[in-house]
Amino acid sequence: KAGVTQTPRYLIKTRGQQVTLSCSPISGHRSVSWYQQTPGQGLQFLFEYFSETQRNKGNFPGRFSGRQFSNSRSEMNVSTLELGDSALYLCASSARTGSDTQYFGPGTRLTVL
Amino acid sequence: AQRVTQPEKLLSVFKGAPVELKCNYSYSGSPELFWYVQYSRQRLQLLLRHISRESIKGFTADLNKGETSFHLKKPFAQEEDSAMYYCALSGRTGNQFYFGTGTSLTVIP
Repeated sequence: KAGVTQTPRYLIKTRGQQVTLSCSPISGHRSVSWYQQTPGQGLQFLFEYFSETQRNKGNFPGRFSGRQFSNSRSEMNVSTLELGDSALYLCASSARTGSDTQYFGPGTRLTVL
Repeated sequence: AQRVTQPEKLLSVFKGAPVELKCNYSYSGSPELFWYVQYSRQRLQLLLRHISRESIKGFTADLNKGETSFHLKKPFAQEEDSAMYYCALSGRTGNQFYFGTGTSLTVIP
């Protein structure tokens, strides 16, 4: 099976702009979770989508949003970018929700100037 | 509040020596505990989870509910074990995972 794919792999944006990141899960997986990884904070949970519904949400401002499509592909959007949003954004998919093993993508490196 | 603590950012051991990576957690309820590993230039991947009670690549981890710990152990470290290790917990509803900040393990030949 093909693994989790994320596009784009690298992005450079300026403050105030918005950005959309995409994640394609492993075929058959219905749960997609998003994480922000930074050197200082490590991996922080953003949100999880399962069958097109947001199941869980981490402690991030409303500028961070996401959605999931009927084919389980997911997008994450960050509006009004801030310098502190510079991070590696990881997507993970799993077959089920509820403490299921997660399979991670390679990440999208976002740099905000 | 849910929290995972990995007290060691860096850990170096000699090849053949025992290794223990520490993980402590706080969670109101019964969490699922996991260890994930990231080798150089590879993706984050699952190493083991406590409910499966498996030994993967010689690593084991015992959940100690009294001490709220889930330390990762291997009796004889190998060079290929050099990687970043993350302890993680999840509640039983949904896939909301809490990760520790990771321990970078270096095995010295």
